[in-house]
Amino acid sequence: GQSLEQPSEVTAVEGAIVQINCTYQTSGFYGLSWYQQHDGGAPTFLSYNALDGLEETGRFSSFLSRSDSYGYLLLQELQMKDSASYFCAVYNQAGTALIFGKGTTLSVSS
Amino acid sequence: SQTIHQWPATLVQPVGSPLSLECTVEGTSNPNLYWYRQAAGRGLQLLFYSVGIGQISSEVPQNLSASRPQDRQFILSSKKLLLSDSGFYLCAWSVRGGGSGNTIYFGEGSWLTVV
Repeated sequence: GQSLEQPSEVTAVEGAIVQINCTYQTSGFYGLSWYQQHDGGAPTFLSYNALDGLEETGRFSSFLSRSDSYGYLLLQELQMKDSASYFCAVYNQAGTALIFGKGTTLSVSS
Repeated sequence: SQTIHQWPATLVQPVGSPLSLECTVEGTSNPNLYWYRQAAGRGLQLLFYSVGIGQISSEVPQNLSASRPQDRQFILSSKKLLLSDSGFYLCAWSVRGGGSGNTIYFGEGSWLTVV
């Protein structure tokens, strides 16, 4: 089966940089995805890594190390609107459905 | 463009009552469809997924069931709700055969409170 571990909570101040780590165990790896969910809302896609290395999209970057079964989401120049839950996810063995971690709640203060 | 709708948005149901949540996708054909549940302050738990009409895979055994009577319609049901069924239910879709980086798109969610 699949399992993912990520910290439950992270706090930071505006303008700071925060890194949310994710370790995973899976039989059959198709890549690591990240989703953002604001309180009361639906999750939305942030990024996807299939290969080792860093993918950058604006203020957000995502990193993957397949040999370590590890990835992270890096958020720079934090803004209050970045306060949300962040989920890492991997596909199931059949590659047909995403399995999510329990999520990391990020609180950004001024 | 593709859109996903699910309803009702909120509902309060007594223990032992039935449940029916409905989800439809527009603007695409042959999507993969999913039902997830999120308990208060918890992660996203995959309940069911479907890769075609009448094809349902269950990830977690419980008193819920899913059906896909039409290509872009996905229904979550229960005959008798339990208190533990309370949560935020999310329908989602992805492109069939979209590859390993296939993005999942979520509906607005349905808040279910079992009392």
